[in-house]
Amino acid sequence: DQQVKQNSPSLSVQEGRISILNCDYTNSMFDYFLWYKKYPAEGPTFLISISSIKDKNEDGRFTVFLNKSAKHLSLHIVPSQPGDSAVYFCAASLTGAGSYQLTFGKGTKLSVIP
Amino acid sequence: GAVVSQHPSWVICKSGTSVKIECRSLDFQATTMFWYRQFPKQSLMLMATSNEGSKATYEQGVEKDKFLINHASLTLSTLTVTSAHPEDSSFYICSARDLRAWGDGYTFGSGTRLTVV
Repeated sequence: DQQVKQNSPSLSVQEGRISILNCDYTNSMFDYFLWYKKYPAEGPTFLISISSIKDKNEDGRFTVFLNKSAKHLSLHIVPSQPGDSAVYFCAASLTGAGSYQLTFGKGTKLSVIP
Repeated sequence: GAVVSQHPSWVICKSGTSVKIECRSLDFQATTMFWYRQFPKQSLMLMATSNEGSKATYEQGVEKDKFLINHASLTLSTLTVTSAHPEDSSFYICSARDLRAWGDGYTFGSGTRLTVV
């Protein structure tokens, strides 16, 4: 049973437009969520995170929204740039339980078209 | 920021041999490191949690006798794939958490592509 789900395996967006990547989770105990960007044959690099006590966190072009009641979070990239083309992983953590293990979704491949 | 160095970046080995992958935290101490495995078009699956000075904690379904983890120091964890078989071919990634940071405290190595022939 996958606890973190990214139901869209791929997404194509025109350069300059908004990219919205979605993530759903089933474990209501998750209290920290992160987004990672990953290029082929490389390790993930951290993008942005959000604690369950917040519903929005913004960092430059990246904004993460958290809807706890829906167990849903999304990553918005505005404006999208060709260099944003990569696989984006959503991850969740149970920090309140003292665990720092990350549970990942399957990823969404974002293609930004020039 | 925190840097995790993982070596080798790729390795090809013969079936039946063992391969060791190193994961080093370069500018911070990591009491805990994590090992992940990623199959093509799949998520990163946690294999085990490596604890400095003690035994690793393996996830369900991961053979601890096949994937030996050693975390002998605060900056080094190793994963040894013993008696490798073609089905062990995968992309292995380590991660460490810099306790000085929060949120972006998780840092990943660049990964190791293992091909068993």
